[in-house]
Amino acid sequence: SYEVTQPPSVSVSPGQTASITCSADKLDDKYVSWYQQKPGQSPLLIIYQDHNRPSGIPERFSASNSGNTATLTISGTQAMDEADYYCQAWDSSTDVVFGGGTKLTVL
Amino acid sequence: EAQLVESGGGLVQPGRSLRLSCASSGFTFDDFAMHWVRQAPGKGLEWVSGITWNSDSIGYAGSVKGRFTISRDNAKQSLYLQMNSLRAEDTALYYCAKGQSGSGNTHGMDVWGQGTTVTVS
Repeated sequence: SYEVTQPPSVSVSPGQTASITCSADKLDDKYVSWYQQKPGQSPLLIIYQDHNRPSGIPERFSASNSGNTATLTISGTQAMDEADYYCQAWDSSTDVVFGGGTKLTVL
Repeated sequence: EAQLVESGGGLVQPGRSLRLSCASSGFTFDDFAMHWVRQAPGKGLEWVSGITWNSDSIGYAGSVKGRFTISRDNAKQSLYLQMNSLRAEDTALYYCAKGQSGSGNTHGMDVWGQGTTVTVS
């Protein structure tokens, strides 16, 4: 089965840039989405089709996908960005696969 | 405003069955693929199953294939998940989620319900 790997945790200071990676074989052949989930809340789509932001998602969230790695970047990280982040890959052969999630701590 | 409301969760014994429902509102249900995603207590997200807008393509995670069946009723704007032969490891919060496209998942899942809890014990 297709496996997508994320670091369990990432820490960042307020105002700095956070980068969360998502790794899998030939990941750039797939469509990658990113979700933010805060405690007690349902996931929120923040990036789709590798780098597109849904309406209402702040510009400080950006993403890329190249080779075997997709990266979510949060510029000027705020305390409110502290959450779990999940990448999700899709193509017609593997269907939907989520990464294990990354806990972002803003300290 | 697009909304999804799940129901049907509960406590069930191993080996028994349960049927989850997801009622939609605020969007044209039959234009979009739909998915079930679960989250075990303290764990990450796990895709369970997805169905295209017209039900002509269905997918399942390996962990549920042969035990779970996804279906939809576009006239009722509802999504379902029939879960048979339930196991302790199926215990989770089950989310219904709307795809941004009619088939596949090129654009991610942009609307999520609050989830319904299934406990197998």
